[in-house]
Amino acid sequence: EVQLVESGGGLVQPGRSLRLSCTASGFTFGDYGMSWVRQAPGKGLEWVGFIRSKAYGGTREYAASVKGRFTIFRDDSESIAYLQMHSLRTEDTAVYYCTRDLFIEAAGFHYDYGMDVWGQGTTVTVSS
Amino acid sequence: QSVLTQPPSVSAAPGQKVTISCSGSSSNIGNNYVSWYQQLPGTAPRLLIYENNKRPSGIPDRFSGSKSGTSATLGITGLQTGDEADYYCGTWDSSLSAGVVFGGGTKLTVL
Repeated sequence: EVQLVESGGGLVQPGRSLRLSCTASGFTFGDYGMSWVRQAPGKGLEWVGFIRSKAYGGTREYAASVKGRFTIFRDDSESIAYLQMHSLRTEDTAVYYCTRDLFIEAAGFHYDYGMDVWGQGTTVTVSS
Repeated sequence: QSVLTQPPSVSAAPGQKVTISCSGSSSNIGNNYVSWYQQLPGTAPRLLIYENNKRPSGIPDRFSGSKSGTSATLGITGLQTGDEADYYCGTWDSSLSAGVVFGGGTKLTVL
């Protein structure tokens, strides 16, 4: 069964750091891009960032709201994607989802085919 | 303020049809494929439509998608009470801040 399981959420004070993990199973993890998407309480979906597969250089993109504070990295040998969060703010409070991202990049263009697998989410609360 | 614009809510009776619109620009919908996601209460979102109008396996053909220019539409026919959910459109934006963008979400109520 194709599955993503997030972990690492919790209560953290403003300005502190937290690392989320996303453990994949049921598919060849290294072949896929992975995204993190968050949802603040009562709000819509917000894309956080994306890491390409090694075939596409393993490079990353981030939303402006987290750029410079959050880092996504991956361990293909363990089938785990990580979201390292620094300088956390109260507005980072959300459920964080890990997703499998389908895409192709060719001739400098990114063709997006959607996020076809989602984890159950892990809750991050930033509060003093 | 979301990059993609959706109506906050739509409603229809069981058995009826409903459409949900998603409006963007040339840097996102106008130049990339659109996906749609369904989020049932208390659950994670799931992919409903990809590449504008394709359904993943397991998604009933009551759900359909279309795209024209910088807008996309999700259609749901034969509405069921189990379709009550939030629906989000999403796509890649190739502007200076490249990345995935979502609509603000549409709450579907089946009366």
